[in-house]
Amino acid sequence: NAGVTQTPKFQVLKTGQSMTLQCAQDMNHNSMYWYRQDPGMGLRLIYYSASEGTTDKGEVPNGYNVSRLNKREFSLRLESAAPSQTSVYFCASSRDREASYGYTFGSGTRLTVV
Amino acid sequence: QQQVKQSPQSLIVQKGGIPIINCAYENTAFDYFPWYQQFPGKGPALLIAIRPDVSEKKEGRFTISFNKSAKQFSLHIMDSQPGDSATYFCAAQVSGSARQLTFGSGTQLTVLP
Repeated sequence: NAGVTQTPKFQVLKTGQSMTLQCAQDMNHNSMYWYRQDPGMGLRLIYYSASEGTTDKGEVPNGYNVSRLNKREFSLRLESAAPSQTSVYFCASSRDREASYGYTFGSGTRLTVV
Repeated sequence: QQQVKQSPQSLIVQKGGIPIINCAYENTAFDYFPWYQQFPGKGPALLIAIRPDVSEKKEGRFTISFNKSAKQFSLHIMDSQPGDSATYFCAAQVSGSARQLTFGSGTQLTVLP
């Protein structure tokens, strides 16, 4: 099925460990995003990539890095995980930065940092 | 800084009731207002959207009402069903800008059978 695929679905990290969350879309979308979802906070943008080869900071970028590997793939890296990064992470894509085309979200990665 | 404020945080209604979720925004440059629906364990999905040149938009049982002067918009679900139980997010964007969608904090809706 066409859509956005995120891996892994669940992950437990110890404080200070690093990991990379993977995201791939097969809809030929230009723009991709990483959000985190926390109770009562809604969805907050971490980083986005308006097009292949570009990345920009969102609302909460501290402690994260991203790579737009190609048009299909956009990864999120935690270099030194902290308990405050315990969250559900969503990757999304859109035809371009115009939200009226709709964002397609993956099913999320539930990350726990202990 | 929360540019889109959503209420209530949670809402419980009986089947057939009309839940109403409200959002208020601060940035008058916003000109696109979508609503996303999220079921447990899934990512959000676009439900319905409105632009400020109209005051109301209906798609099936879902209606958005928009009040430009008050900088508020709301989602109404007619004849709600247990299958509508989900988390609903409002959002806003300035079309054509480099800025991305700004989401509200979400409303967890439960429709009792």
